[in-house]
Amino acid sequence: DAGVTQSPTHLIKTRGQQVTLRCSPKSGHDTVSWYQQALGQGPQFIFQYYEEEERQRGNFPDRFSGHQFPNYSSELNVNALLLGDSALYLCASSVRDRGSYEQYFGPGTRLTVT
Amino acid sequence: GNSVTQMEGPVTLSEEAFLTINCTYTATGYPSLFWYVQYPGEGLQLLLKATKADDKGSNKGFEATYRKETTSFHLEKGSVQVSDSAVYFCALNVNTGFQKLVFGTGTRLLVSP
Repeated sequence: DAGVTQSPTHLIKTRGQQVTLRCSPKSGHDTVSWYQQALGQGPQFIFQYYEEEERQRGNFPDRFSGHQFPNYSSELNVNALLLGDSALYLCASSVRDRGSYEQYFGPGTRLTVT
Repeated sequence: GNSVTQMEGPVTLSEEAFLTINCTYTATGYPSLFWYVQYPGEGLQLLLKATKADDKGSNKGFEATYRKETTSFHLEKGSVQVSDSAVYFCALNVNTGFQKLVFGTGTRLLVSP
């Protein structure tokens, strides 16, 4: 059973560019969340998708947007990249109706903005 | 708002020493509590969890008890190994219907032989 997968592993972009990160959830999971983890910090919640809609959003600007596809996979898009967007981006999947709300994390995408 | 406070690291121990990593929380509502571990170059792995007061989560020799009266969820292990060296994150989720984890800043553990 494959766990949560993310692509690419690493990415280098220039300020002002746009980037798309991808995530495939664990088999049987229908909810995908995205987190940003700056160096030396804990992950910060960006947003969550369920049934192809954004259900919750953290304190991130509109430059951060996402999408969920019918197969439950998800994309995170960041426009007009800033140096401060450099971080590890983590995708987590879960099942909506599970009471424990346990989230399973992927290995992350390391984004470097120069 | 909801927040998690962890002790500053790094925590440096010798193999077979006793480990405690302190975690306290502030939450509106009745949270579930988690400990995640992050090994170098990897994503987060769930280590243990507790969903109600006085629950004890345990896994791989690690334990943590949900203490509502002190709003704490301290991580303990009786005898650490070199392979336990990693960053440990305490987190909470307020059961609002959609999961949203709030993490502490993490505590790095270094275990020497």
